[in-house]
Amino acid sequence: DTGVSQNPRHKITKRGQNVTFRCDPISEHNRLYWYRQTLGQGPEFLTYFQNEAQLEKSRLLSDRFSAERPKGSFSTLEIQRTEQGDSAMYLCASSFSQGAGTGNQPQHFGDGTRLSIL
Amino acid sequence: AQSVAQPEDQVNVAEGNPLTVKCTYSVSGNPYLFWYVQYPNRGLQFLLKYITGDNLVKGSYGFEAEFNKSQTSFHLKKPSALVSDSALYFCAVSLRISSGSARQLTFGSGTQLTVLP
Repeated sequence: DTGVSQNPRHKITKRGQNVTFRCDPISEHNRLYWYRQTLGQGPEFLTYFQNEAQLEKSRLLSDRFSAERPKGSFSTLEIQRTEQGDSAMYLCASSFSQGAGTGNQPQHFGDGTRLSIL
Repeated sequence: AQSVAQPEDQVNVAEGNPLTVKCTYSVSGNPYLFWYVQYPNRGLQFLLKYITGDNLVKGSYGFEAEFNKSQTSFHLKKPSALVSDSALYFCAVSLRISSGSARQLTFGSGTQLTVLP
């Protein structure tokens, strides 16, 4: 069963460094989402792709954050000049939907990348 | 704006007893509602969803949820709890943010369920 795969599982870095996470969605899924989860909270939406197009971005996604999905398959999330407040679990999810008006299919989540900023 | 409230941070129940995890939502349109479960250091696993139709929805692992439009609630239930059900449970609502946009998930803050042997 090839679910959503995220790498690395853990990332420890010093403040000010750049980090990049990768997400490989379920192969037939055309939608890909990034969320951030801090301790004691539910996931918060960051951004979403329909195939290779980035269609939605949250206000949480500052200009230090950038996400790509170059061929509509895997996605990367980069954080530049990391700050203490970036410490969180970054979750990727994917789903299959046939149009913008749908969205009733559940999102399938990876196990996340836990980022710790020293 | 859409929001989800899970009023209990922690629910404890004895094994074999029925369990309920509460969820209320606030949206301006017709919501899609979901329940997810999260085990330590893992991602979220889908349990069940309400889109339309029958207000009682059955999902994975014997869980079910009841949609109540008048009370804007979507409580998660299970007739007989297992120790292995102990985990963090999230309710989520999906709603189109703006005209033409895709639906987004907004999560509650989670309820830690502990089933005592």
